[in-house]
Amino acid sequence: NAGVMQNPRHLVRRRGQEARLRCSPMKGHSHVYWYRQLPEEGLKFMVYLQKENIIDESGMPKERFSAEFPKEGPSILRIQQVVRGDSAAYFCASSPPGLDGYGYTFGSGTRLTVV
Amino acid sequence: ELKVEQNPLFLSMQEGKNYTIYCNYSTTSDRLYWYRQDPGKSLESLFVLLSNGAVKQEGRLMASLDTKARLSTLHITAAVHDLSATYFCAVVNTGTASKLTFGTGTRLQVTL
Repeated sequence: NAGVMQNPRHLVRRRGQEARLRCSPMKGHSHVYWYRQLPEEGLKFMVYLQKENIIDESGMPKERFSAEFPKEGPSILRIQQVVRGDSAAYFCASSPPGLDGYGYTFGSGTRLTVV
Repeated sequence: ELKVEQNPLFLSMQEGKNYTIYCNYSTTSDRLYWYRQDPGKSLESLFVLLSNGAVKQEGRLMASLDTKARLSTLHITAAVHDLSATYFCAVVNTGTASKLTFGTGTRLQVTL
C-alpha cells in the first residue's frame, strides 16, 4: 500500500518559468492538502481539495498559484512565472474524509529551487 | 485567526536528561497532532490527541492535551541522540473542516 507519492522530489526552475508539482494520495484517501515550508520555518497551509473541488484555498497566493485534483490522475500544484521567493519545500498530504483521528499522511515533498 | 506557538524554538540537551516542549494555541480545538521532521525529510506522525486530558506515550516520548488551557506538552524522558529532529504540533481549526495549523517547530538537538 503505497503512501502519498509526490514528484518530482527536486525541481529547479529559472525565474519566469512554470513549476508543476504532482501528488497522488494514498489509496482510499479522497482529500488532498498542499503545504509550503520555507527554510527553518513551519508548514503553512495552502489549499485543500477533494476530487474536482477546491474546498479551501485561503492559503494560496492570489496570483500565479493554482491547484487542481481532477477526477482521474494526481493533484497538481502549478506555479506560473516563478520567482526566487517561491523556493521552498512543498508538501502534499492526504486523508480520509473527516480525518477520523488519523491526521494526515504526508508525502516526501518537492523541493523547488528557483535560480 | 488560529495561532499556534511552540517553545522553546531550539533545545539542546544532553543524553539522559528530561525535558518538555510546549504547544499553545489561541482558539478552541479538540484535536491536536505532534509530528517529527528530520532534516530534508517529510513529516512523521507521532501522536494524535483527541480529547481533553488525553495522554499518549511511545518510547521516550509522551504527549498530553489540556483543551481548557489550550496547551499540549511533549515530554522527553532520558533523551537519546536518535531523538534529534524538529518537532511540530498542529491543531485543527474548529469549523474549518480538516485544515491543520502548524506551530513554529522545536528543533531538538541531543548531545552525547
